[in-house]
Amino acid sequence: DQQVKQNSPSLSVQEGRISILNCDYTNSMFDYFLWYKKYPAEGPTFLISISSIKDKNEDGRFTVFLNKSAKHLSLHIVPSQPGDSAVYFCAAPSGGGADGLTFGKGTHLIIQP
Amino acid sequence: KAGVTQTPRYLIKTRGQQVTLSCSPISGHRSVSWYQQTPGQGLQFLFEYFSETQRNKGNFPGRFSGRQFSNSRSEMNVSTLELGDSALYLCASSSGGSGEETQYFGPGTRLLVL
Repeated sequence: DQQVKQNSPSLSVQEGRISILNCDYTNSMFDYFLWYKKYPAEGPTFLISISSIKDKNEDGRFTVFLNKSAKHLSLHIVPSQPGDSAVYFCAAPSGGGADGLTFGKGTHLIIQP
Repeated sequence: KAGVTQTPRYLIKTRGQQVTLSCSPISGHRSVSWYQQTPGQGLQFLFEYFSETQRNKGNFPGRFSGRQFSNSRSEMNVSTLELGDSALYLCASSSGGSGEETQYFGPGTRLLVL
């Protein structure tokens, strides 16, 4: 039972254009979402988060949008840069007040020069 | 502040053996979570410890266990290793307050079971 889904295993975007990574969730109890970025042989690095009381959160080139009715969130990166090439994970707290996260399977973003 | 550290970084074991992995959280963080990353399953939550108590547990067999010490350092143990346990094991720490706090990950321990 995959509660957080990233349906695109990979995405290729030209440098300078906008990258849009999508994530769907099934558990209506999720009220906080995070995006992590991961390079090979390194641990995930926190990028940006959003609480369910908001529908948008922006941090520099990164913006996360949350559509609660559709149970969908997206990460926009603009403009895309070569260093953005990595695997991006969407995550939500597992619940119960504890700090475990449920992750999607990730989207490998490739920025082409 | 120093980041999350994990030891060892790489490990090779054979089937049936057991292994212990170690994680030192960021100073002041009281919550430590463990994850398994494999190509087929992605990042899967193993368990979370806070103040030496397991607060949350994922869907893994009892061969996977952990503990946390009074200084918040944590260890994870896998007994009777199977080939399918080959994975990157990641540890993450957070302040541990509300469940809506950012987790900071270590570099992981790459385990290969032969």
